[in-house]
Amino acid sequence: SQQGEEDPQALSIQEGENATMNCSYKTSINNLQWYRQNSGRGLVHLILIRSNEREKHSGRLRVTLDTSKKSSSLLITASRAADTASYFCATGDILSYNTDKLIFGTGTRLQVFP
Amino acid sequence: DAGVIQSPRHEVTEMGQEVTLRCKPISGHDYLFWYRQTMMRGLELLIYFNNNVPIDDSGMPEDRFSAKMPNASFSTLKIQPSEPRDSAVYFCASSIGGTASHEQYFGPGTRLTVT
Repeated sequence: SQQGEEDPQALSIQEGENATMNCSYKTSINNLQWYRQNSGRGLVHLILIRSNEREKHSGRLRVTLDTSKKSSSLLITASRAADTASYFCATGDILSYNTDKLIFGTGTRLQVFP
Repeated sequence: DAGVIQSPRHEVTEMGQEVTLRCKPISGHDYLFWYRQTMMRGLELLIYFNNNVPIDDSGMPEDRFSAKMPNASFSTLKIQPSEPRDSAVYFCASSIGGTASHEQYFGPGTRLTVT
């Protein structure tokens, strides 16, 4: 399976601390995406990083990609209680006959305490 | 734009009944995806459409599941007959262009409970 796996499965931190989540995948990719899901809601796209990029920033988010290790990390700096959510990585498999499919990882549940 | 719209938001039905979930994608989006999310299996892609045509239905669990997209602004996912193991949250998502390079926009989901 090409499904990504996030690590850790769950993370609890205090407001103001940084949160780091990792994602590993198994096949060659064109890009990797990160999504957030608040409880009881649909997923929301956060950031897309292409296979030829190593790092990307968006506000308090920093994403890195290491294609040699088939891994990515999502860093949320100065976390807030509103960041409490599940975070998923998602990839497409360029070697698949069907590159339109996006495969989601298992997710990291982040809890930020005030 | 109102985003992806799904209805109903909650559905409780008895085993054996037919269930129809509805989705309205974002106007102008040419891809539509149906996902199922459970604690045990995570987020699974069931089927997706490109320009109203089903492209890949390999994720549909069995013949009890069917999906249609009669036009660019409407899609349905039908389960007939429903079973308790179908209980899950079903999401519809849409995007412009091939998904591997474009973000997907998710609806709020339909929480289905089959008793």
